[in-house]
Amino acid sequence: NAGVTQTPKFQVLKTGQSMTLQCAQDMNHNSMYWYRQDPGMGLRLIYYSASEGTTDKGEVPNGYNVSRLNKREFSLRLESAAPSQTSVYFCASSDKVKTSEQYFGPGTRLTVT
Amino acid sequence: AQSVTQLGSHVSVSEGALVLLRCNYSSSVPPYLFWYVQYPNQGLQLLLKYTSAATLVKGINGFEAEFKKSETSFHLTKPSAHMSDAAEYFCAVSAPGGNQGGKLIFGQGTELSVKP
Repeated sequence: NAGVTQTPKFQVLKTGQSMTLQCAQDMNHNSMYWYRQDPGMGLRLIYYSASEGTTDKGEVPNGYNVSRLNKREFSLRLESAAPSQTSVYFCASSDKVKTSEQYFGPGTRLTVT
Repeated sequence: AQSVTQLGSHVSVSEGALVLLRCNYSSSVPPYLFWYVQYPNQGLQLLLKYTSAATLVKGINGFEAEFKKSETSFHLTKPSAHMSDAAEYFCAVSAPGGNQGGKLIFGQGTELSVKP
C-alpha cells in the first residue's frame, strides 16, 4: 500500500518556466490537498479538491492551478515560476466523511532561480 | 474561522526529560484537533487526533495530548524524551462537517531538539 506518492522529489526551475507536480493516492479517498511549507510558516493550503470533479482555492492560490484528473490523481501546475514559489510542496488526501485526518506524501522540494 | 497558535518555535529538552509542546486553537464550532510530526526531509505523519471522544488522547511513540475546552488548548506531552523524538511538530485544527472539504489549518510548527 503506497499511500500518497509525489513526483518529482526535487526540481530546479528558472524564473518563468512551467512545471506540473504530480500526486496520486491509492486509499480511495475523496479529498485531496496541496500545501506549501516555508520556514516558520507551517503548512499553507494552496488548493484542495473535496471530491472528484471539484477544486477550490485555499489560502495561497496565486500563481498555481490544479487538476483533479480522477479520484486518484491531483496535480499542481506552476505556469510561470517565480523565486517566491521556492518551497517544499506536499500533497495530502483524506476521507472527509470521517475525521478529516489527512495522509501526506513525501514532498517535492522546488527551487526557482 | 479556525486558527492555531503554537507557542515556541523551538523547544530544547534533555534526554529523559518531559516534553511539552503548546497549542492553542480558535474555532467557532467544536473542533477536530491533530498533532503531526515531521522528521527531517520527510512528509508529515499523524501522531494523534482528538475527535470529540475522550479528552485525553494517546498517540504513537508515547505521546499524548489533552483537549481542554475551557483553555482552548491541545498541548502535546511525553513523559520522557528520546533522541529519536527530535523533529518538527505541527498542531492542526479542522471543523467537522460542512462543505469545507475537511480542510486543516496548521500552526507554525515547533522544532524539538533533544540533548544527550
